[in-house]
Amino acid sequence: DTGVSQDPRHKITKRGQNVTFRCDPISEHNRLYWYRQTLGQGPEFLTYFQNEAQLEKSRLLSDRFSAERPKGSFSTLEIQRTEQGDSAMYLCASSQLPGEAFFGQGTRLTVV
Amino acid sequence: GQSLEQPSEVTAVEGAIVQINCTYQTSGFYGLSWYQQHDGGAPTFLSYNALDGLEETGRFSSFLSRSDSYGYLLLQELQMKDSASYFCGADAGNNRKLIWGLGTSLAVNP
Repeated sequence: DTGVSQDPRHKITKRGQNVTFRCDPISEHNRLYWYRQTLGQGPEFLTYFQNEAQLEKSRLLSDRFSAERPKGSFSTLEIQRTEQGDSAMYLCASSQLPGEAFFGQGTRLTVV
Repeated sequence: GQSLEQPSEVTAVEGAIVQINCTYQTSGFYGLSWYQQHDGGAPTFLSYNALDGLEETGRFSSFLSRSDSYGYLLLQELQMKDSASYFCGADAGNNRKLIWGLGTSLAVNP
């Protein structure tokens, strides 16, 4: 297993369009997290899955954001009607043990 | 609310020792993690302390005091490649998600 992979690495989209990102976690990891990070800031929690169950979603997240993890394997994060403020690095992480998360390289979203 | 505080910037010279402190205010605390992130890269896991005390892994050590809601990351024999941002993260809450500090930017100078 080569670690957490995310696709695409970069995405440029026009304001108002929908985008979807994919994350493939480390295979034996049951926890999967999505974070958003902007320059000079720490990762901001978006949502968290344990297996296929979405256990928590940030209250900061608008209804335009949705995430799924069917069958407890890969996960997708969709942003509908993108806004310029959505431009950020979207990071996925997986873990088997709490506190020890392994991150993918992220998807950098630019909304123009 | 839940929050972590760490210094925004630290500067040191090669070969020196530097300590990055982290204080936290969380409910349902389980442990403290440390991550390193180079510019343009993803965070990488360094350490996790669930119990009080010092844990050493090579040049890096991490300390936790639950009674003081405080921890630190100690970096010894600093190298230029250690220049990066360092984040503390609290494993906390009912769902045990990581809550992150804003990060400490470490600059190692020759």
